[in-house]
Amino acid sequence: GNSVTQMEGPVTLSEEAFLTINCTYTATGYPSLFWYVQYPGEGLQLLLKATKADDKGSNKGFEATYRKETTSFHLEKGSVQVSDSAVYFCALVSLGGGSNYKLTFGKGTLLTVNP
Amino acid sequence: DTAVSQTPKYLVTQMGNDKSIKCEQNLGHDTMYWYKQDSKKFLKIMFSYNNKELIINETVPNRFSPKSPDKAHLNLHINSLELGDSAVYFCASSQGGQGYNQPQHFGDGTRLSIL
Repeated sequence: GNSVTQMEGPVTLSEEAFLTINCTYTATGYPSLFWYVQYPGEGLQLLLKATKADDKGSNKGFEATYRKETTSFHLEKGSVQVSDSAVYFCALVSLGGGSNYKLTFGKGTLLTVNP
Repeated sequence: DTAVSQTPKYLVTQMGNDKSIKCEQNLGHDTMYWYKQDSKKFLKIMFSYNNKELIINETVPNRFSPKSPDKAHLNLHINSLELGDSAVYFCASSQGGQGYNQPQHFGDGTRLSIL
């Protein structure tokens, strides 16, 4: 079945530091990959996505590149802000059909950015 | 305008009671979901409906019963509540079918606490 593994948190950084959150996946077919963000007390919001190999998703200064050869989709940001403090989820949906249409999430990584 | 709204936001009740959570989306999506998020932020899909038809039914106790009166609504009824049901329940929607790699839009969650 499909699975997503992302780095354990919590991650604590100072403002303007570089951020990487690692994500690797196992999937049948040709998955689409997503990063969702959950701010405190809120639901999840789509941060970025990539639907095929070598695609780069980007939004709000965050980037992730779909690497089929390493089955990875690492999230990066060059300079984090306090407002980026949240839980980040890597996720995939496989295009294999049937029960694979469901979104499979990683366990989430809590990011705290200190001023 | 709230895209995916669920009520109530907080639900505190005693073991053994029966309760319902309601969800409505005004995005015109044809697929809706219920997720359970535990205290460690782990997200697990419970159910999914596409055009009022149940398409995903994960291993969830029979005490949980979803109902979709129309494609804009997906309610969750829980019988005989147990301590282990304490969690945050999220409703989500997306445009499914051929657009299955479309992002899901989440409500703000219902925090269920069992006393």
